[in-house]
Amino acid sequence: AQSVAQPEDQVNVAEGNPLTVKCTYSVSGNPYLFWYVQYPNRGLQFLLKYITGDNLVKGSYGFEAEFNKSQTSFHLKKPSALVSDSALYFCAVRDRGSTLGRLYFGRGTQLTVWP
Amino acid sequence: DADVTQTPRNRITKTGKRIMLECSQTKGHDRMYWYRQDPGLGLRLIYYSFDVKDINKGEISDGYSVSRQAQAKFSLSLESAIPNQTALYFCATSDPGTGGYNEQFFGPGTRLTVL
Repeated sequence: AQSVAQPEDQVNVAEGNPLTVKCTYSVSGNPYLFWYVQYPNRGLQFLLKYITGDNLVKGSYGFEAEFNKSQTSFHLKKPSALVSDSALYFCAVRDRGSTLGRLYFGRGTQLTVWP
Repeated sequence: DADVTQTPRNRITKTGKRIMLECSQTKGHDRMYWYRQDPGLGLRLIYYSFDVKDINKGEISDGYSVSRQAQAKFSLSLESAIPNQTALYFCATSDPGTGGYNEQFFGPGTRLTVL
């Protein structure tokens, strides 16, 4: 079975500080991993993905994520948070061996960056 | 994302009414999806379609039906709406790409309230 866990419902960080939003996954094979962001009253926007290669993936708005196969994790990071980063973040996984193309989403983590 | 549009954006209806949510896309993608989002539960897949002749149930299809009228249009129907179908509904599209790992693009969502 495929699943994604985002262990923190909420993350609070001061502007200018580094932020981390955690994600762990479970798939039967090798994963494709994604991060999406949802701003209020908007749909989900793609941030970045891990397919293969370098474990550190860089994406939009200065975000990056590190794939760790041994820990089955794909944590989202940013060196210096902005108030405008406040949003709901979703991690998603797809089994590379699946032909269905379905994504499995975590429950989301609400990130709040205060001034 | 303006390339994926959903109508209506908001809808309030009564228990027992039939409701149709519509999704159109101009991205030229074959794959389309319907999700519902509930607070604390993340996104759950209702139905998905890999082309006009292909419709598949997701994890929570009971009480819903879909129609893929054309490559660009994918409609979700609630035959007899009930209050626990109150949620935010998202349509998404994707192009499988050469490796099948391309990200999904989301519409702005439809907020449905069933009284």
